[in-house]
Amino acid sequence: GDSVTQMEGPVTLSEEAFLTINCTYTATGYPSLFWYVQYPGEGLQLLLKATKADDKGSNKGFEATYRKETTSFHLEKGSVQVSDSAVYFCAEDQAGTALIFGKGTTLSVSS
Amino acid sequence: DAGVTQSPTHLIKTRGQQVTLRCSPISGHKSVSWYQQVLGQGPQFIFQYYEKEERGRGNFPDRFSARQFPNYSSELNVNALLLGDSALYLCASSLVRNSNQPQHFGDGTRLSIL
Repeated sequence: GDSVTQMEGPVTLSEEAFLTINCTYTATGYPSLFWYVQYPGEGLQLLLKATKADDKGSNKGFEATYRKETTSFHLEKGSVQVSDSAVYFCAEDQAGTALIFGKGTTLSVSS
Repeated sequence: DAGVTQSPTHLIKTRGQQVTLRCSPISGHKSVSWYQQVLGQGPQFIFQYYEKEERGRGNFPDRFSARQFPNYSSELNVNALLLGDSALYLCASSLVRNSNQPQHFGDGTRLSIL
């Protein structure tokens, strides 16, 4: 079946550092792609999405570009803050039924 | 507007018992999905309901069942609980059943099996 692979964490950065979290997917066709963020003790919040090739999703300084040629959707932010510390999940949806999630990447930002 | 609400927030059960988890979607959302998130892992899809019918089922045993009511709220039932059922159970809703529509998640029900 389809799967999503994220870079292993934890990722530890200093405040204002550049962030990249890699994500690749295996689905054929053109799935929709998402990044969700989960803060301790909470559910998942949608961070950004892209629904077709070359789309760029962006929100709160985070960006990710849908790359069909490399089946990737890497998350980036130019300058992270302590408040960005959380677990980040990449996910794909092929048919409007089930989101397929990666295992999550823990980000820890120190001041 | 209220987001996705789930109840209860925490639940402790013993092996062999049965449990019912509840979910109210965002107003106007007709699709509800359930996910299981084991500690340290990404959520795993259990069910999707749309317009009160089951539209998708993940790789979970028949001990797991669900239903959706006319007001689009949903219940997840798990029978004969096992220790391995300990997890965070997440409910998500979306406007319609379409891959372009993002699913919005509640804060989950933390189920602990003793």
